[in-house]
Amino acid sequence: DAKTTQPPSMDCAEGRAANLPCNHSTISGNEYVYWYRQIHSQGPQYIIHGLKNNETNEMASLIITEDRKSSTLILPHATLRDTAVYYCIVRVGRGSSNTGKLIFGQGTTLQVKP
Amino acid sequence: GAVVSQHPSWVICKSGTSVKIECRSLDFQATTMFWYRQFPKQSLMLMATSNEGSKATYEQGVEKDKFLINHASLTLSTLTVTSAHPEDSSFYICSARKGTWVQEQFFGPGTRLTVL
Repeated sequence: DAKTTQPPSMDCAEGRAANLPCNHSTISGNEYVYWYRQIHSQGPQYIIHGLKNNETNEMASLIITEDRKSSTLILPHATLRDTAVYYCIVRVGRGSSNTGKLIFGQGTTLQVKP
Repeated sequence: GAVVSQHPSWVICKSGTSVKIECRSLDFQATTMFWYRQFPKQSLMLMATSNEGSKATYEQGVEKDKFLINHASLTLSTLTVTSAHPEDSSFYICSARKGTWVQEQFFGPGTRLTVL
């Protein structure tokens, strides 16, 4: 399994963009980059995923480097409700229940400040 | 759509008793369900994976006789913590997968277990 490295914590001012980096230098060609977040005492919430192209949805944008060894999750206008732990996970996109298990690392605690 | 519920949301029990936690996919049939455990200030740890009608697959180090998982239908999985002890106090989170794609996996709100 490709491992990911994220900074343990980051701060962001409310209304500004939050850029959360993730390193995954051992990613395989068939592995996707997934981002989830967990607000305190809740279950994780899916944010976005991508293979090699940049992706955008209503929650965030995902920028993946050309060599796919790192990526950045961008929350364009962070609000106080975006304060959470953000997890970057690399997994195969489709597979059996065994190969597609979501394994969580330590993540990045994002604190959005007023 | 794609809602996963857990019941109860919190439970307090005495040491030595057993506790059952239910996980339901409310508006879809789940091909696979997963159970995670999370201690304070730590990340989620995958405990086991289960498919409907078959035995659960436990991760290394997880006692299958202590954490009984039953996946009786495509919308219901249960986790029973048998003979619970204070060290079993944790946040238990289930997750259900709609299909074979990872992004089709949805998480429940979690169950806080406190063993006295």
